[in-house]
Amino acid sequence: AQRVTQPEKLLSVFKGAPVELKCNYSYSGSPELFWYVQYSRQRLQLLLRHISRESIKGFTADLNKGETSFHLKKPFAQEEDSAMYYCALSQETSGSRLTFGEGTQLTVNP
Amino acid sequence: NAGVTQTPKFRVLKTGQSMTLLCAQDMNHEYMYWYRQDPGMGLRLIHYSVGEGTTAKGEVPDGYNVSRLKKQNFLLGLESAAPSQTSVYFCASSSGGLDRGRRYNEQFFGPGTRLTVL
Repeated sequence: AQRVTQPEKLLSVFKGAPVELKCNYSYSGSPELFWYVQYSRQRLQLLLRHISRESIKGFTADLNKGETSFHLKKPFAQEEDSAMYYCALSQETSGSRLTFGEGTQLTVNP
Repeated sequence: NAGVTQTPKFRVLKTGQSMTLLCAQDMNHEYMYWYRQDPGMGLRLIHYSVGEGTTAKGEVPDGYNVSRLKKQNFLLGLESAAPSQTSVYFCASSSGGLDRGRRYNEQFFGPGTRLTVL
């Protein structure tokens, strides 16, 4: 069965510091991975999907199939990056269901 | 274009009461989902639908029922609420179309319903 693990429930950094949110997955098929973000009192929204290979709001994430990881990185964190971040894996079949990790609460201090 | 909306935003129930949560989307999406969000557990899929008239069980379906009578609506029902169902419930939808040869899986989320069962 597929599984997504985010080992850090809480992550705190100072403004301007690099930040990395870890995500590991287990899945026997060809994975499609996402990062979703939930700002305070807002709905979840898509931040990145690995298939797009984009940089959004300065964030990047590279799929490493050898290490089964999809870590989210930003070289210089901003206070407005403070939010809950979820890594998610999509199954190819059965209605494109998402399996979410437990989430990491990122706090960027001034 | 409201996207995904959920009704109600908040609700308090007593154990044993029933209620229905309504999700509506105006994006003509085929796929719809119900999740629950609990601290430290992320989002867990309750039920989902791949089209009008279809439903399927997700990861944590017990104690819930769903219906998709219209393409734009997806209802989540609790027949006999229990304190363990205290949670924040999110609805989401997805087009289910193809993007670069793969199923386009981005899901769009509603604002959530905060449910407390006493």
